[in-house]
Amino acid sequence: EVQLVESGGGLVQPGRSLRLSCTASGFTFDDFAMHWVRQAPGKGLEWVSGINWNSGSIGYADSVKGRFSISRDNAKNSLYLQMNSLRAEDTALYYCAKDIGAYYRGLDYWGQGTLVTVSS
Amino acid sequence: EIVLTQSPATLSLSPGERATLSCRASQSISSYLAWYQQKPGQAPRLLIYDASNRATGIPARFSGSGSGTDFTLTISSLEPEDFAVYYCQQRSNWLTFGPGTKVDIK
Repeated sequence: EVQLVESGGGLVQPGRSLRLSCTASGFTFDDFAMHWVRQAPGKGLEWVSGINWNSGSIGYADSVKGRFSISRDNAKNSLYLQMNSLRAEDTALYYCAKDIGAYYRGLDYWGQGTLVTVSS
Repeated sequence: EIVLTQSPATLSLSPGERATLSCRASQSISSYLAWYQQKPGQAPRLLIYDASNRATGIPARFSGSGSGTDFTLTISSLEPEDFAVYYCQQRSNWLTFGPGTKVDIK
């Protein structure tokens, strides 16, 4: 059974940093691209960042470019999101999601999310 | 950035009726479109990828069509569990999601 478990969320002050982690199990992690998607309270889905199977292709939404950094450790079956210079508008539930392919095609498994609240 | 527009914003229908949801891209995205369903308090669920391919385990009442800039998700006969929010997502230029269509009970 595919499982994705996010951690690292919490309350953080504007301008500070936070690192999210996602631990994967139930599939061959290094065969698939992975993504972070967020959802602000009561709002729609926003793709944040994606990374292909070997970290050779990485992309970011314009809203986070230059502030967030995605990475993966295939030996640890783990995905990360380093979030710097956090803003109030980054407040959201952050989902880790598995792609159906090695590059970007569609997101077939999702974690339950970790909540990030940016507030003073 | 490719912008996706979904219509209508809300669709009020009864169980057993046919639902037709639209997604329009700001520029051609070939067939690089996926559809997701999200229920309150749950993570999204992939329904369709590459415009018309059903994901694993998705019932046949869900179908997708379209290419270029205009796409449609059709639910042939609504079941009670189909009332939810539906999002389209493109992968032609990184990824973006549409704003969603809420399908609620009439």
